[in-house]
Amino acid sequence: DSGVTQTPKHLITATGQRVTLRCSPRSGDLSVYWYQQSLDQGLQFLIQYYNGEERAKGNILERFSAQQFPDLHSELNLSSLELGDSALYFCASSASNDEQFFGPGTRLTVL
Amino acid sequence: AQSVAQPEDQVNVAEGNPLTVKCTYSVSGNPYLFWYVQYPNRGLQFLLKYITGDNLVKGSYGFEAEFNKSQTSFHLKKPSALVSDSALYFCAVRDRGNNRLAFGKGNQVVVIP
Repeated sequence: DSGVTQTPKHLITATGQRVTLRCSPRSGDLSVYWYQQSLDQGLQFLIQYYNGEERAKGNILERFSAQQFPDLHSELNLSSLELGDSALYFCASSASNDEQFFGPGTRLTVL
Repeated sequence: AQSVAQPEDQVNVAEGNPLTVKCTYSVSGNPYLFWYVQYPNRGLQFLLKYITGDNLVKGSYGFEAEFNKSQTSFHLKKPSALVSDSALYFCAVRDRGNNRLAFGKGNQVVVIP
């Protein structure tokens, strides 16, 4: 158990809908990262937050947004969902410029 | 931008034999290098990292990796593979200027009893 929790575990929704994925980092970790894992794209970095501020941005679509709250949990919002957004979404956290610890992921299925 | 190549899709090895999973990287400057393992329907688990120091890094579950700067490689090794090592292995690199990890496409390791 990495100490990073993600909810929900599974999410099934329809095209055009909006969903919110939630992540709680390990106790004390200020950095939260979001990744997308799909068969065709592999594991892609989406975005990083550090202590509430956006720190780095990767291959994140404009339909996607994220935020980190004062209690350090983070949410990834995916809107106007398309079939191609079906993937595993991972959250990771780290204490410093060191290894990242990954949550169990949220499997999103868009029908 | 940093990148990682894992040239093989699948590595098959007999139980008890040495296991090697290859990784080469591209980054400007000195890299941070990582190996993660993913079991079915699970998140990624950290195995080991190279930040600085000894080129041979020891990690969890008997795994080790060798950093080779001249060949820009960071191959993962285990002297004697177990059936339970069957999983998906990811190499990742991060340059020292930012925190984003760039992952390779992953290698499926199959250990045959």
